[in-house]
Amino acid sequence: DIQMTQSPSSLSASVGDRVTITCRASQGISNYLAWYQQKPGKVPDLLIYAASTLQSGVPSRFSGGGSGTDFTLTISSLQPEDVATYYCQKYNSAPWTFGQGTKVEIK
Amino acid sequence: QVQLVQSGAEVKKPGASVQVSCKASGYTFTTYYLHWVRQAPGQGLEWMGIINPSGDTTNYAQKFQGRVTMTRDSSTNTVYMELSSLRSEDTAVYYCARGNISYDLWNPVAYWGPGTLVTVSS
Repeated sequence: DIQMTQSPSSLSASVGDRVTITCRASQGISNYLAWYQQKPGKVPDLLIYAASTLQSGVPSRFSGGGSGTDFTLTISSLQPEDVATYYCQKYNSAPWTFGQGTKVEIK
Repeated sequence: QVQLVQSGAEVKKPGASVQVSCKASGYTFTTYYLHWVRQAPGQGLEWMGIINPSGDTTNYAQKFQGRVTMTRDSSTNTVYMELSSLRSEDTAVYYCARGNISYDLWNPVAYWGPGTLVTVSS
């Protein structure tokens, strides 16, 4: 099975900072990658699919990039409401594996 | 609007089985794949498997092969996930979740149920 590895596992940044999370696949997955945001006590929300396509209603400060094995999720200007754990997920083949998550906090 | 309504919390003893249901509404049930994902307390998301509500075909994560069964009832727009031989490590919130694009297997999850807490304890 293809493994998904996120880094860092957690980060702390100031409001207004640019934040980047990385997700690496153990084999190429083209652009079959999604990013989810899970706020404390809530269900996950789909942020980005096809590596870089913003889901409807997601603020434009979120962006995704990459293809093949290396992907990024960027928050251009971190806001207090962005405190959450972020997960990547591959969906090019079974299993639909998630990364282990990146917890984002405000400094 | 899309709704996924799950059954209530369960407490089970080790070795028992649990069945969690997920009733879908707000869209044509047979046109979207449904996933099951679980999350142990304080841990990440773990994909368990997927079911095609149209044809009842399934694909399970290898970790759960032999212990999980996913079924559907098209007459009530409901999918079920049964997990057997429960152990304490199966304590988790179990989510059903719908795919993003109709008739398309290879796409992410767009809608999530509220989750069902399953506690395994002697």
